[in-house]
Amino acid sequence: GAVVSQHPSWVICKSGTSVKIECRSLDFQATTMFWYRQFPKQSLMLMATSNEGSKATYEQGVEKDKFLINHASLTLSTLTVTSAHPEDSSFYICSARMPLTDTQYFGPGTRLTVL
Amino acid sequence: GENVEQHPSTLSVQEGDSAVIKCTYSDSASNYFPWYKQELGKRPQLIIDIRSNVGEKKDQRIAVTLNKTAKHFSLHITETQPEDSAVYFCAAIIPGSARQLTFGSGTQLTVLP
Repeated sequence: GAVVSQHPSWVICKSGTSVKIECRSLDFQATTMFWYRQFPKQSLMLMATSNEGSKATYEQGVEKDKFLINHASLTLSTLTVTSAHPEDSSFYICSARMPLTDTQYFGPGTRLTVL
Repeated sequence: GENVEQHPSTLSVQEGDSAVIKCTYSDSASNYFPWYKQELGKRPQLIIDIRSNVGEKKDQRIAVTLNKTAKHFSLHITETQPEDSAVYFCAAIIPGSARQLTFGSGTQLTVLP
């Protein structure tokens, strides 16, 4: 299957700082990527849809000023958690959609811990 | 919007037995239904998917069936092995231009040796 990478795999930060997470599709160009959040023993909750060259679309209840998404190229989308707080601690996973299909390939996830 | 319900939340089977996980969806316009397997702390991995123009699809020990009229689809794993133990998520496409997925709540499958 296709390969999607995510960096970093884990990060610990202090409350009030910002954290950037990168998602890359390594062997295909993805015009659309998605960002999910997953709490322990729960399902994947879609946060936003990242479209190359345009603004991201956020799901209801997700603060766009807190979770900044940039999809600057066909292989890279970034999620920046601004002014992180302990309640933002979670597992963040991206996915990239294979062009002309509905198939999403997931990155390995980033474990964010905010102290 | 699309709503996907998944049952059971936990499932334990003996090695070699079959496992069945069921999902229902709400939007009759949904036409793509993938299943993902997620091991603890790892990424979800696509194991099989089905489109609405097909009633069944099989890949070795894994099969998916779709009933469009009843709006439900099921994952069937035969001859289960301990390495099949994981959380399985069903999903359905949200009709629209972005084609987002809505996920079920997940099923923790444990295959007992």
